[in-house]
Amino acid sequence: GAVVSQHPSWVICKSGTSVKIECRSLDFQATTMFWYRQFPKQSLMLMATSNEGSKATYEQGVEKDKFLINHASLTLSTLTVTSAHPEDSSFYICSAGVGAGPYNEQFFGPGTRLTVL
Amino acid sequence: GDSVTQMEGPVTLSEEAFLTINCTYTATGYPSLFWYVQYPGEGLQLLLKATKADDKGSNKGFEATYRKETTSFHLEKGSVQVSDSAVYFCAVTGTASKLTFGTGTRLQVTL
Repeated sequence: GAVVSQHPSWVICKSGTSVKIECRSLDFQATTMFWYRQFPKQSLMLMATSNEGSKATYEQGVEKDKFLINHASLTLSTLTVTSAHPEDSSFYICSAGVGAGPYNEQFFGPGTRLTVL
Repeated sequence: GDSVTQMEGPVTLSEEAFLTINCTYTATGYPSLFWYVQYPGEGLQLLLKATKADDKGSNKGFEATYRKETTSFHLEKGSVQVSDSAVYFCAVTGTASKLTFGTGTRLQVTL
């Protein structure tokens, strides 16, 4: 149980285009979904937190107009990288959380590798 | 805010050696503590967790004990295998439901 999928697993796009990444919790409903970014050989950086039906909460320094998050249901969240540029190339990982506060447990997707040419 | 400090890698061990990866944290209240493992090119997998003081999390031969007095959650394994080669992340969840990760420790196990 507690499986989270991401699609696509990798994507290559041209500079200036937009890319959408889907995150789905396959066998459970998630209270909250999280989006992370990971640079090579570095830790995960939380980008934003989203709850179903409400606007995402972005971490400081993350451009909300560039990284659009839609949380359409308790099992689906999408991240759209708008007008992508080479510096947006990274490994994007989502997680789906259940529980609140310190009892929140997150289940991670396998990640999406984005390369912007 | 919450923070996690874990030993820098890489850690290189021979197969069957004993492993310790140190992790200390700062957090308000009564956080939950986690160890995640990331294999090359993959997302994170939960390795083990502990939700209250003195709890011991264990999985696949790995163990970690929640030490509130020393704010630590060190990861140990008695005998590592080549297949344990990966990056290990210590993490804490506090009242904000957000996971705060350490910088990760790369483990390389050789024959």
